Amino acid sequence: NAGVMQNPRHLVRRRGQEARLRCSPVKGHSHVYWYRQLPEEGLKFMVYLQKENIIDESGMPKERFSAEFPKEGPSILRIQQVVRGDSAAYFCASSQQGASTEAFFGQGTRLTVV
Amino acid sequence: GENVEQHPSTLSVQEGDSAVIKCTYSDSASNYFPWYKQELGKRPQLIIDIRSNVGEKKDQRIAVTLNKTAKHFSLHITETQPEDSAVYFCAASITGGGADGLTFGKGTHLIIQP
Repeated sequence: NAGVMQNPRHLVRRRGQEARLRCSPVKGHSHVYWYRQLPEEGLKFMVYLQKENIIDESGMPKERFSAEFPKEGPSILRIQQVVRGDSAAYFCASSQQGASTEAFFGQGTRLTVV
Repeated sequence: GENVEQHPSTLSVQEGDSAVIKCTYSDSASNYFPWYKQELGKRPQLIIDIRSNVGEKKDQRIAVTLNKTAKHFSLHITETQPEDSAVYFCAASITGGGADGLTFGKGTHLIIQP
């Protein structure tokens, strides 16, 4: 589904820099989810947001990681002081409602920390 | 929390043969089980899902079965074709749909041999 837009597609950061990943959900979707995928691994849930609210951040590391979904604009996943272990593909998904509806994934942002 | 195990990690079948991928889950409260297909470098895409009030669902060459008692569900692909080659992820959700609460298996790399 071409509706969920993530940018950038590829992001290279040096250790200690900040990474900002953006996700624009399908038009009309108010629920956004972020997942992390390590090489050869499955998708790990990080955080679930609705407009201006964090609903569930149980999968997100307590330090250095934050997420927001403002009233206007895309959802942002922010990683401060990146380390090599943060290198992964980060996928965003959106759905119209939190339950009982299909979630559509974006193309992902591949973060490489050098 | 929920734990999803997926087997096998790699599956190679001859074109035209059937492929079966199996998943087990741990939380009996889970009630939504989607399957995603992810081609190399692309986003995960939903191919079929099943809810806990049905035991089997079919869509052309793809079918999913669910055994709530044993807490396992399987993906069946018949008459496999080269374009079926991809990584397949099973998932389980307690909330009933969408991506919130989705716990993914580690994936099965399906290889279709010509």
